[in-house]
Amino acid sequence: DGGITQSPKYLFRKEGQNVTLSCEQNLNHDAMYWYRQDPGQGLRLIYYSQIVNDFQKGDIAEGYSVSREKKESFPLTVTSAQKNPTAFYLCASSPGTSLNEQFFGPGTRLTVL
Amino acid sequence: QKEVEQNSGPLSVPEGAIASLNCTYSDRGSQSFFWYRQYSGKSPELIMSIYSNGDKEDGRFTAQLNKASQYVSLLIRDSQPSDSATYLCAVFGAMTTDSWGKLQFGAGTQVVVTP
Repeated sequence: DGGITQSPKYLFRKEGQNVTLSCEQNLNHDAMYWYRQDPGQGLRLIYYSQIVNDFQKGDIAEGYSVSREKKESFPLTVTSAQKNPTAFYLCASSPGTSLNEQFFGPGTRLTVL
Repeated sequence: QKEVEQNSGPLSVPEGAIASLNCTYSDRGSQSFFWYRQYSGKSPELIMSIYSNGDKEDGRFTAQLNKASQYVSLLIRDSQPSDSATYLCAVFGAMTTDSWGKLQFGAGTQVVVTP
């Protein structure tokens, strides 16, 4: 099956810990994105990558880091510098054509204990 | 001023009626517009994309775009209880702006279809 997978589905973090969220796609999409969603709010862009080995900061990149070593994978690390990391994290990918459509994975719900 | 604005709702719609959702955007050069449906606790699902002025129909959904007035709307005909969800409007940034390469999302409109 083609699609976008995210793991884990739920993640609990103690304060001061770094955690890494996985995002994998087998759609052969060039572009990948990470968003954060807080209750009752829209999506905010954390980082995005339009090509392997290149990525750009989104609107709320502080306290997060990413890598794009393979086309299929775009992991997100939530560092201890992120003061309020409890949120729903969504990964998306796009074929990178002029249509600009993005498709989302199922999400990871992160809770800080 | 938010770049993409939607009424938060909830929009209550009787079953079988038409739900009308509106979205305005500030980036005049934007060329790509999307509607996503998000059920509670789930990720957004792309339901409509529209790129040129006018109407685009797909099943019970119709997207309408008016670039001169900078608004995009979504109509849901014959609304069903399964249409109860939050609908997100998204706009792809214009090439001449810092938003190029990114989707700007509205906060979403909650739709509740009552039997």
